[in-house]
Amino acid sequence: GAVVSQHPSWVICKSGTSVKIECRSLDFQATTMFWYRQFPKQSLMLMATSNEGSKATYEQGVEKDKFLINHASLTLSTLTVTSAHPEDSSFYICSARTLEARYEQYFGPGTRLTVT
Amino acid sequence: GQNIDQPTEMTATEGAIVQINCTYQTSGFNGLFWYQQHAGEAPTFLSYNVLDGLEEKGRFSSFLSRSKGYSYLLLKELQMKDSASYLCAVLDSNYQLIWGAGTKLIIKP
Repeated sequence: GAVVSQHPSWVICKSGTSVKIECRSLDFQATTMFWYRQFPKQSLMLMATSNEGSKATYEQGVEKDKFLINHASLTLSTLTVTSAHPEDSSFYICSARTLEARYEQYFGPGTRLTVT
Repeated sequence: GQNIDQPTEMTATEGAIVQINCTYQTSGFNGLFWYQQHAGEAPTFLSYNVLDGLEEKGRFSSFLSRSKGYSYLLLKELQMKDSASYLCAVLDSNYQLIWGAGTKLIIKP
């Protein structure tokens, strides 16, 4: 149980275009989802926290207009990178948490974004 | 501020034992996690400690001392597949994970 999927697993896009990444909890309801970014040889950096049905809470330094997060249901959250630039190239990972088990996050497999 | 420290890199020999340390200073504490992350993959859960003491799970053990703000991950009978980064993370008072920078473990034959 507690499986989280991400789609796509990798994507290449041109500078200036937008990319949407989906994060789904397959066998449980995720009241909270987290979006992380990880640059090579660095640790995970939390970008934002989203609760179902409400606006995401962004970490300091993360542009909310550039990284649009939607958590429309208890099983789906999306991250849209708008007007992508090469510096947005990174590994994006989502995780999900249930209301009952606030101590554990279940991670998706990650999405490798390359902006050319 | 919140801070988690762990060594950047460690090297060990196949079949040996290695201990990866983690010290933390966070606003509140609701447990400490260890995750394993292979290059290009998402982290996978290894252990969770919320009480002081040693938790053993197969070849991996994790220790916590809340009074010292200290934890370690002990890996026994090292295998080549254990080459990975090991991430220490603390769940703070808001139930958010505060991540360490990770320790890259290199296993040599």
